[in-house]
Amino acid sequence: KNEVEQSPQNLTAQEGEFITINCSYSVGISALHWLQQHPGGGIVSLFMLSSGKKKHGRLIATINIQEKHSSLHITASHPRDSAVYICAVRSKGNEKLTFGTGTRLTIIP
Amino acid sequence: DTAVSQTPKYLVTQMGNDKSIKCEQNLGHDTMYWYKQDSKKFLKIMFSYNNKELIINETVPNRFSPKSPDKAHLNLHINSLELGDSAVYFCASSQNQGGLETQYFGPGTRLLVL
Repeated sequence: KNEVEQSPQNLTAQEGEFITINCSYSVGISALHWLQQHPGGGIVSLFMLSSGKKKHGRLIATINIQEKHSSLHITASHPRDSAVYICAVRSKGNEKLTFGTGTRLTIIP
Repeated sequence: DTAVSQTPKYLVTQMGNDKSIKCEQNLGHDTMYWYKQDSKKFLKIMFSYNNKELIINETVPNRFSPKSPDKAHLNLHINSLELGDSAVYFCASSQNQGGLETQYFGPGTRLLVL
């Protein structure tokens, strides 16, 4: 079992829908990251979280340290949001970086 | 101007060959990284160099040898390529030894070993 699990693995939704992608992890962490990988392969960092909630435009990321769980939400989804979203955690202590397998999101116009 | 560039973009080669992937960043960053993304889209850090010195070396076979001629370049040389080396390799850079949120990624090099 991977230390970082994401769900769903694939998600298809209509434009305008509210999207939620989940990330669960099994280790103590110092930080959690959400990344976006575009269809062309380019990777962009979206958020770094150690507690609470962060918002950037239509994207919201939350983390519950006690439950070892984070969610990435997209409001008013748009076809350009179609990408693979990757969760990564940095382990407390050894600072090792572990990535989830990603969630492939497709937004249909 | 491209911030982090990799060459080649695609590389198809036969098992047993030796190949290199080049990475250059024009951001003036001190730290560079190599990541491997396998067919299941699993990203894994391989190496990290800070000012031409190796600071992270995850359990990567010694067939993989990073080389940093200067702090703007981190090349990845792979000896005796194996089928399992087929993956997308991403280079990244950050100022100092920044976290993932500060890293700029290259476009990736898709390696296919036949």
